Amino acid sequence: SAVISQKPSRDICQRGTSLTIQCQVDSQVTMMFWYRQQPGQSLTLIATANQGSEATYESGFVIDKFPISRPNLTFSTLTVSNMSPEDSSIYLCSVQLAGGPTDTQYFGPGTRLTVL
Amino acid sequence: GQSLEQPSEVTAVEGAIVQINCTYQTSGFYGLSWYQQHDGGAPTFLSYNALDGLEETGRFSSFLSRSDSYGYLLLQELQMKDSASYFCAVRRLDSNYQLIWGAGTKLIIKP
Repeated sequence: SAVISQKPSRDICQRGTSLTIQCQVDSQVTMMFWYRQQPGQSLTLIATANQGSEATYESGFVIDKFPISRPNLTFSTLTVSNMSPEDSSIYLCSVQLAGGPTDTQYFGPGTRLTVL
Repeated sequence: GQSLEQPSEVTAVEGAIVQINCTYQTSGFYGLSWYQQHDGGAPTFLSYNALDGLEETGRFSSFLSRSDSYGYLLLQELQMKDSASYFCAVRRLDSNYQLIWGAGTKLIIKP
């Protein structure tokens, strides 16, 4: 397994502002993903964070709204830009470990975002 | 396309056995994963089945039937701490290991 940290753990933000969430892993990883999850709902993939290149976004998510960086193998950031109350959610990073079990993702503790 | 179906909620009694089913539809298949998520927590990996049969890990077992496109998670000797949501997932085809997730099953355990 791996230790995955996310910062901040929670935040309350004003409409129109931006928040950057950091994800740090203590092991070598192959893939890093960013998800959004509403309480009581399943996980929705926002994008795959690619090292040294632009992230791969899922349908319904765009770079201008959710810019992602991954400067090295173990660190990534997700920014939620120009926030609205609809962006209130839990944001999770997950990783697939290098040499790890097939189709196994390990998750950070999540960032609980409330937009007023 | 690919999809998974699982019950939205299952209720069981402490000490009992419960089975959470997952059926999937996909033109290609690698394996079926199960994750547990407690309220306010992050999903944690429980098991992965690539081949038919039962995989046992302590009180938890996972079963797969590729011919029936069906799997289940079996929890024995239920404890109150097993109250959580359980998600099944499959790898998305033509992807870099992205997963397709079921809607999740909320397991309620009564004393």
